[in-house]
Amino acid sequence: DAKTTQPNSMESNEEEPVHLPCNHSTISGTDYIHWYRQLPSQGPEYVIHGLTSNVNNRMASLAIAEDRKSSTLILHRATLRDAAVYYCILRDYSGNTPLVFGKGTRLSVIA
Amino acid sequence: DTAVSQTPKYLVTQMGNDKSIKCEQNLGHDTMYWYKQDSKKFLKIMFSYNNKELIINETVPNRFSPKSPDKAHLNLHINSLELGDSAVYFCASSPRRGGSYEQYFGPGTRLTVT
Repeated sequence: DAKTTQPNSMESNEEEPVHLPCNHSTISGTDYIHWYRQLPSQGPEYVIHGLTSNVNNRMASLAIAEDRKSSTLILHRATLRDAAVYYCILRDYSGNTPLVFGKGTRLSVIA
Repeated sequence: DTAVSQTPKYLVTQMGNDKSIKCEQNLGHDTMYWYKQDSKKFLKIMFSYNNKELIINETVPNRFSPKSPDKAHLNLHINSLELGDSAVYFCASSPRRGGSYEQYFGPGTRLTVT
């Protein structure tokens, strides 16, 4: 499985944008980039995913580098509810390999 | 309406017992999963079923046996429980098995083996 590298932790002020980086230098052409988050005492929650182009949804934006070796999850206005562990995961298009959760980035949001 | 539900939410039992955790999804998804999150918070895939067929079976002791009676249900039966089985178990589902599909997780079942 291709691996991802994320900072262990990040901090943000409430109502400010947050940029969560992820490096995946060994990504293959058929790997989708997925982001999930896990709030305290809850199950993981899907955030966004993409292949090559930048993606936007109601929760966040995903910016994918042109060479696809890195990506950035953007939360446009952090709220206290966004405090969670964020996971960047690669998954082959076939789905024959599972989601592999690493350590993720623990995001703290300061009021 | 709960999309992915699990029962029970908490399960406390003694070593050597056999227990089951049930999972149901009302999303009409084809693919379901079981994950284990240990005390160090690492989340690992255990099994995946697609249309009732086992497609992923990670290195899990054979005391763990998943059963999918239909597409909407994936239950996890654990025989001869051990202390090391204590963890939070999450069920998930996705529309199809492909890597372009997102997964929806249940609230988890906290299993404590004493």
